[in-house]
Amino acid sequence: DIQMTQSPSSLSASVGDSVTITCRASQDVTKYLAWFQQKPGKAPKSLIYDASRLQSGVPSKFSGSGSGTDFVLTISSLQPEDFATYYCQQYKSYPYTFGQGTKLEIK
Amino acid sequence: EVQLVESGGGLVQPGGSLRLSCAASGFTLSDHYMDWVRQVPGKGLEWVGRTTNRATSFATVYAASVKGRFTISRDVSENSLYLQMNSLKTEDTAIYYCARGFHSFDIWGQGTVVTVSS
Repeated sequence: DIQMTQSPSSLSASVGDSVTITCRASQDVTKYLAWFQQKPGKAPKSLIYDASRLQSGVPSKFSGSGSGTDFVLTISSLQPEDFATYYCQQYKSYPYTFGQGTKLEIK
Repeated sequence: EVQLVESGGGLVQPGGSLRLSCAASGFTLSDHYMDWVRQVPGKGLEWVGRTTNRATSFATVYAASVKGRFTISRDVSENSLYLQMNSLKTEDTAIYYCARGFHSFDIWGQGTVVTVSS
């Protein structure tokens, strides 16, 4: 199975800041990497697919980059609604696997 | 509006069975790959399994942790997806989500809670 490792596990930031979350795959997943946002008590929401493509309706403040084994999610100009947990996920091969999550908290 | 709504969760004893449903609206389920993902409350996400679309004969693939116990199926006329869960274990306790498998998982349901406990 492909292991996905996110860093950091938690992150504190202020409104208006920009933050980056990294995701590393234990094997090459080429471009097949997605990012999700999850708020407490809610289902995950898709943000990015194919490493850098924004899902429909997702604001451009979210951006993704990377390929192979190393990926980055960047969130610019943080607003209160952006504080949530973020997950990366590979869909290169079964079983699909997720990172452990990064909890973004307000400083 | 494109939407997925799960139902069927509940409390079941170890060794028991449960069938979850996922009703789709706003799109034709049979045109899409569909997945089940679960999450232990307060923990991370775990992919459970997938069924492909009509064009690829609704093939299924499962995570090792549920293979042989869980079965994914569809009712084309009802535009619904199902997850039949047999021989349930305490470690199957989780929120179960159905998701549309387009561009990874683009649409998710709200989830249904399954608790396996005596």
